[in-house]
Amino acid sequence: KNQVEQSPQSLIILEGKNCTLQCNYTVSPFSNLRWYKQDTGRGPVSLTIMTFSENTKSNGRYTATLDADTKQSSLHITASQLSDSASYICVVSGNAGGTSYGKLTFGQGTILTVHP
Amino acid sequence: DTGVSQDPRHKITKRGQNVTFRCDPISEHNRLYWYRQTLGQGPEFLTYFQNEAQLEKSRLLSDRFSAERPKGSFSTLEIQRTEQGDSAMYLCASSFTSTGELFFGEGSRLTVL
Repeated sequence: KNQVEQSPQSLIILEGKNCTLQCNYTVSPFSNLRWYKQDTGRGPVSLTIMTFSENTKSNGRYTATLDADTKQSSLHITASQLSDSASYICVVSGNAGGTSYGKLTFGQGTILTVHP
Repeated sequence: DTGVSQDPRHKITKRGQNVTFRCDPISEHNRLYWYRQTLGQGPEFLTYFQNEAQLEKSRLLSDRFSAERPKGSFSTLEIQRTEQGDSAMYLCASSFTSTGELFFGEGSRLTVL
């Protein structure tokens, strides 16, 4: 069964500190891995999308890494800001083969709270 | 085009009533998805359209749920005879390719009393 597991479930840090969120997946075959940020009561917003051949990708203070061999990804946030408080969702796209639909498997998210 | 828009943003209804949500995707996107999200969980796939064709439906989509995309542009998600367990955020998303970036709307939050 395709699964995406995220850890920790929740995290509290002080403003200005760095943090790393983890994502382990068992989706196969693999097409790409995405990280989304979801503010409370809003829709998810894409941060990064990485294919099999990409090991790291940055978007401002967000840096995602991917190890396709161990099926692990991390999202590193540097110099955190209060506005980083949100749920961070890892999503893995599997190649559906003969169909045109790349099935997405969502993690349950990590809730990050940044305190002043 | 400013992105995926959903309407209404919030809906409170009594058990047994029907509700309908609308989604307007990004205009050049031919793929449209509906998801349901409950508190503290990631989105769960409900159904997927490519143009006007509904290509996949989750087992979560009971016979009380129906989705349409009649002209391959906007889509509607109708829930008949709502139950309290239907209370959730209903998210719509669109994409240009099957493995490309997914753009989400702000969601329609349903509360069934």
